[in-house]
Amino acid sequence: DTAVSQTPKYLVTQMGNDKSIKCEQNLGHDTMYWYKQDSKKFLKIMFSYNNKELIINETVPNRFSPKSPDKAHLNLHINSLELGDSAVYFCASSQVGTRGDPLHFGNGTRLTVT
Amino acid sequence: AQKVTQAQTEISVVEKEDVTLDCVYETRDTTYYLFWYKQPPSGELVFLIRRNSFDEQNEISGRYSWNFQKSTSSFNFTITASQVVDSAVYFCALSVGDMRFGAGTRLTVKP
Repeated sequence: DTAVSQTPKYLVTQMGNDKSIKCEQNLGHDTMYWYKQDSKKFLKIMFSYNNKELIINETVPNRFSPKSPDKAHLNLHINSLELGDSAVYFCASSQVGTRGDPLHFGNGTRLTVT
Repeated sequence: AQKVTQAQTEISVVEKEDVTLDCVYETRDTTYYLFWYKQPPSGELVFLIRRNSFDEQNEISGRYSWNFQKSTSSFNFTITASQVVDSAVYFCALSVGDMRFGAGTRLTVKP
């Protein structure tokens, strides 16, 4: 039943490690996103993919690499994790990706880097 | 450039009070969409409403109402007769392509 699902829900790791967060949507949407929510609750877009193609790539360190094997999946791989990467990462999808589409969010992955 | 300002960082009310959450936006586009999302303590982000720039009709959904005024670039959200379950962080967002969020307003409704 879950529309946008992310795994894992919690991720605790040490500095320097590499980790991945997986996202899947079963809504048949064409566009998927990654957002980062910092400790002050500020939500910032990181990436946007439309039908497996990268559309938006905000100023995000190269250590973050999204991968979309098909339009239902958008994974986020993070290399050489830093303390500042600690945040909640939300995956989202929208039907077409136009400005009027509401975003449907996953439940978030809380990443803690120690 | 697009920008959304939610000047109220935190609001605390007592149950049954009415409360209005302010949202002011900036954009040079003539076609844009405005949204409100709710993030309850459990952490998920829930879509509440969407408005396009050509439709200034106010909207009411149960205890929730939204007032869109292009003249003041505002899209305010009012909860009537607030309840404890309304406690959440509320985000206003603007989309002219990708969606940009305001900083959020944390609403606490006390019993």
